[in-house]
Amino acid sequence: EVRLVESGGDLVHPGGSLRISCETSGFTFSNYAMMWVRQAPGKGLEWVSYINSAGDITYYSESVKGRFTIARDNAKMSLFLEMKSLRVGDTGVYFCARDYEPATVWGTADYWGLGTLLTVS
Amino acid sequence: QSAPSQPASVSGSPGQSITISCTGTISDVGGFNYVSWYQQRPGKAPKLLIYDVSSRPLGVSDRFSGSKSDNTASLTISGLQTDDEADYYCSSYTLRKTQVFGVGTRVTVL
Repeated sequence: EVRLVESGGDLVHPGGSLRISCETSGFTFSNYAMMWVRQAPGKGLEWVSYINSAGDITYYSESVKGRFTIARDNAKMSLFLEMKSLRVGDTGVYFCARDYEPATVWGTADYWGLGTLLTVS
Repeated sequence: QSAPSQPASVSGSPGQSITISCTGTISDVGGFNYVSWYQQRPGKAPKLLIYDVSSRPLGVSDRFSGSKSDNTASLTISGLQTDDEADYYCSSYTLRKTQVFGVGTRVTVL
């Protein structure tokens, strides 16, 4: 069974930093690209970042570029998101998601975690 | 990058068909056949329904279908069921090599 479990969400002051993690199981993590998607309270989904399976290609939304860094540890089957210069607008649930291989391009997610809550206040 | 627009809400009676639109620009929805659709129930993670405009992953009901014309993609739910009550989001690949989600649509089954 594929499982994605996020952790590390916390209450952080504006300007602060935080690292969140996603531990995975049930699939060969090193074969899959991964993403982070967030959702502000009561709002819609927002794509945040992407990393390919090898970890050498990354993309970011304009709203987080330069402040967030996505990374992975294939040996530990884990995905990370390092966040700096946090803003109130970064508040939300952060979902870890697996890239769906049959899709023509990256960015379609077939498995999602339940998310971890970041509050910037 | 502005989010593709979707109607805030769509409703229908059980058994009916409804269609949710997702209107973007030539830089996203209109420029690529890489639109996905997700269903999200309250407090749950999103579920993939459609990818590449009209393809369905294994296990997704054929009551869900997708299409696209110019800058607008559409998700049709046929044979509406009470279980279909949820929020629905489109997502598109973009010219800037990013993904963008639509603003979301709340589906209500009357």
